[in-house]
Amino acid sequence: DADVTQTPRNRITKTGKRIMLECSQTKGHDRMYWYRQDPGLGLRLIYYSFDVKDINKGEISDGYSVSRQAQAKFSLSLESAIPNQTALYFCATSGGVGIDTQYFGPGTRLTVL
Amino acid sequence: QQQVKQSPQSLIVQKGGISIINCAYENTAFDYFPWYQQFPGKGPALLIAIRPDVSEKKEGRFTISFNKSAKQFSLHIMDSQPGDSATYFCAARSSGTYKYIFGTGTRLKVLA
Repeated sequence: DADVTQTPRNRITKTGKRIMLECSQTKGHDRMYWYRQDPGLGLRLIYYSFDVKDINKGEISDGYSVSRQAQAKFSLSLESAIPNQTALYFCATSGGVGIDTQYFGPGTRLTVL
Repeated sequence: QQQVKQSPQSLIVQKGGISIINCAYENTAFDYFPWYQQFPGKGPALLIAIRPDVSEKKEGRFTISFNKSAKQFSLHIMDSQPGDSATYFCAARSSGTYKYIFGTGTRLKVLA
């Protein structure tokens, strides 16, 4: 089984709808991240959490919110989706001290009509 | 504000050739520089990484060259293979944190 899973894998929604993307990990990591990938813009950090009680905004947090329900679960919500939030979304985790590796999920392709 | 600039955006290389991807950063408060490889339909995966106190790191056909004074680092793929066709991202970690800034990505295609 995959270490980092994301649901759903694909989602089409309409402008104004609320949508939640979910991420679960079995690596036992404390740190979890949500990124957005757009062509030509690379990966941009939306939110990150270094433990269950720690939530931090990334560089493009406007229009998004997150919830860290447990060490293993980190959800991203779009309260009122808009077309320019159409993108590929990745969850990632990392753990340990010092040199670390980010482990990415398979991604969620979101289309907002 | 993009603090890690990556080039080229796309690259086509013949099989057996050398692929070179460059990144430059603006903030000196970075302490770790990984490269990630992403295949279509997959999430990025760590390929190779370097710390700023080292000028070069080699793992198999992949080499990172790091120039601290120029604030530049590059990925070299020797003897490029069609299986190397993927998107490559450089990244930089903010010192004292586990927060990363990624480059814009390079789509590499290796022709058979």
